[in-house]
Amino acid sequence: QVQLQESGPGLVKPSETLSLTCTVSGGSISPYYWTWIRQPPGKGPEWIGYFYSGGTTKYNPSLKSRVSISLDTSKNQFSLNLNSVTAADTAVYYCARDPRHWYFDLWGRGIQVSVSS
Amino acid sequence: QSTLTQPASVSGSPGQSIAISCTGTSSDVGGYNYVSWYQQYPGEAPKLIIYEVSDRPSGVSNRFSGSKSGNTASLTISGLQAEDEAIYYCSAYTSTSIPVIFGGGTKLTVL
Repeated sequence: QVQLQESGPGLVKPSETLSLTCTVSGGSISPYYWTWIRQPPGKGPEWIGYFYSGGTTKYNPSLKSRVSISLDTSKNQFSLNLNSVTAADTAVYYCARDPRHWYFDLWGRGIQVSVSS
Repeated sequence: QSTLTQPASVSGSPGQSIAISCTGTSSDVGGYNYVSWYQQYPGEAPKLIIYEVSDRPSGVSNRFSGSKSGNTASLTISGLQAEDEAIYYCSAYTSTSIPVIFGGGTKLTVL
């Protein structure tokens, strides 16, 4: 049974970089779109972007200048980096699997990330 | 459009049927069959219950069904049960720059 697990710091200072990793266990990295989604408190989810196992990436234009997603097939992990964070980036961050565009059939449990000094 | 429009709340009694609407535009809900629905309990991750407008993943109860008419998609839950009390989100592909947008969520209360 495939499972996803997010890991990383729960507190990031303003202007610094948020870095999270998602470990994929029990299944193959291919051929999926490995996606990051975040959910601010009391709001609906927001799509951040994906790294396709074939090597392409796509990002939310509202975050594009600050975000990057990478994939490490040797470790069955994919990662999110979001730089120059502000309080508006405070949210629960989820990693998810998109099997063939555009829905998410598997989600991690989520990790709360707060931006505060 | 940055988000899809859902009612903030709906309610129903056990055994009844309810429907949750999700309104978009011709650039998202109305233009493509890439509408999905998620169920979320407090403190948990969303769970996929409907994809591509009306398909159910394996293991999801057939009490959940999806449909679409014009720019509005709907999730129908029949034979309401107490365990259905949750927040439901719709999502759709959009031909604008974002590619995927979500609704604001609908809280379902089982009376």
